[in-house]
Amino acid sequence: EVQLVESGGGLVQPGGSLRLSCSASGFTFSSYTMQWVRQAPGKGLEYVSTISSHGGGTYYADSLKDRFTISRDNSKNTLYLQVSSLRPDDTAVYYCVKGVSSAAVDDYFPHWGQGTLVTVSS
Amino acid sequence: DIVMTQSPDSLAVSLGERATINCKSSRTLLYSSNNKNYLAWYQQKPGQPPKLLIYWASTRESGVPERFSGGGSGTDFTLTISRLQAEDVAVYYCQHYYSTPPYTFGQGTKLEIK
Repeated sequence: EVQLVESGGGLVQPGGSLRLSCSASGFTFSSYTMQWVRQAPGKGLEYVSTISSHGGGTYYADSLKDRFTISRDNSKNTLYLQVSSLRPDDTAVYYCVKGVSSAAVDDYFPHWGQGTLVTVSS
Repeated sequence: DIVMTQSPDSLAVSLGERATINCKSSRTLLYSSNNKNYLAWYQQKPGQPPKLLIYWASTRESGVPERFSGGGSGTDFTLTISRLQAEDVAVYYCQHYYSTPPYTFGQGTKLEIK
């Protein structure tokens, strides 16, 4: 069974940084693209970032690419999202999502974690 | 980036009736070389992560009830629930996965019981 467990969220002051993690199990992590999606309280889903199976391809929402960095450690079955220069409008639940391909093509996303809440406030 | 626009923003349908949600993309999602439409539909209930319902615009994910169907091609797509049940109350999102990311979402459609 695919399991995705996010961690690293919490309360952070404006301008601060966080590293979110997603621990994956139940599948061969190194064979699949992974994605981060976020959802502000009471709002819709917002695409954040995608990384290919071996990390060679990384993609971002245009509005976030200067402050967010996606990475993965296939030896640890873990996905990361480094977020910096945080602003109150970054407050959201951040979901870790597994794709069905290895290279961000022909890729859709059937498996989602429960999410980790990031709150940006002073 | 491709912009995804859903309509309506909210919808109230009687139990047992049909519900239809629309999704329009700013560019074609039909890849001519394989004749596939790169669109997915998700259902999200309160306090839960989204659940994949439909991919390739019309293929139901395993375990999704047959009352859910996806249609359309190119830039215009629909999600239809043929006979609404109480457990279908949720917010529904479309997402494209055409070419390389970013894979943007529609703004969501909230479905309620009339």
